[in-house]
Amino acid sequence: EIVLTQSPGTLSLSPGERATLSCRASQSVSSSYLAWYQQKPGQAPRLLIYGASSRATGIPDRFSGSGSGTDFTLTISRLEPEDFAVYYCQQYGSSPSFTFGPGTKVDIK
Amino acid sequence: QVQLQESGPGLVKPSETLSLTCTVSGGSISSYYWSWIRQPAGKGLEWIGRIYTSGSTNYNPSLKSRVTMSVDTSKNQFSLKLSSVTAADTAVYYCARASRKYGSGYYFDYWGQGTLVTVSS
Repeated sequence: EIVLTQSPGTLSLSPGERATLSCRASQSVSSSYLAWYQQKPGQAPRLLIYGASSRATGIPDRFSGSGSGTDFTLTISRLEPEDFAVYYCQQYGSSPSFTFGPGTKVDIK
Repeated sequence: QVQLQESGPGLVKPSETLSLTCTVSGGSISSYYWSWIRQPAGKGLEWIGRIYTSGSTNYNPSLKSRVTMSVDTSKNQFSLKLSSVTAADTAVYYCARASRKYGSGYYFDYWGQGTLVTVSS
C-alpha cells in the first residue's frame, strides 16, 4: 500500500505570498494518478488538481500542480484570503484503492 | 450541476450497523463509480469503498469485513452499511463521485456536504 506524506504540516503565510505544498509517496506513483483537494472548515473537500497538473473546472490559474515519481507539489502563486484552508493530496492505486495524505494547513501569518 | 446528499441516522449504538444513503441529483448515477469517504473530527480523509452502477464494489481492506455498499439506479441512490460499529467509527461521512479523464486515475469531483455519525450508547 502506498503511503502519502505531506509537508509541512502547517504553513503560515500572508495574503499575496507564494505557497508551496509537498506530497511525497512511499513508492513511485503514476503522475496521472495524483490529485489535490482544498477543504475549508465545515465543508466538503473540493477538487483542485487531477493528473498531477490539470486544474479542475473553475479552479483559478494561481493553483498549479507538478511532480512525478514520488514527489509532487501544489503551488499557489499568490495567496488570496479564501485560499487559507487545508490541502490534501490523493493517489489512486492498484487493487483498486484510494489513499489520502494527512493534509497541510495553510493559515494566515 | 450534479449534487449529492447524504441521509441517515446521526446516532448509532456500539455494535450496531451504520446505514447511510446518498441521493444523486442533477445527473444520472449511471456509468460512474460512487464512493464513501469519512473524516473523524480534526483528522484526515479515509476512503471506505466504491461501487459502480453495475453493482461491482471495491472496499478499503481495513474495513472490508464490515462494509457493504449497494446501488439503486431507479432512485439515483447508493448506500453504505458498516456493521459492528465502535466509537472509532464516529466521523463525518461523505459520498462522492469518482471520475477520470482518459489516461488519468480516478479522483473525486463531486461531493456531498457530509453527515456526522456518532457512535454512542
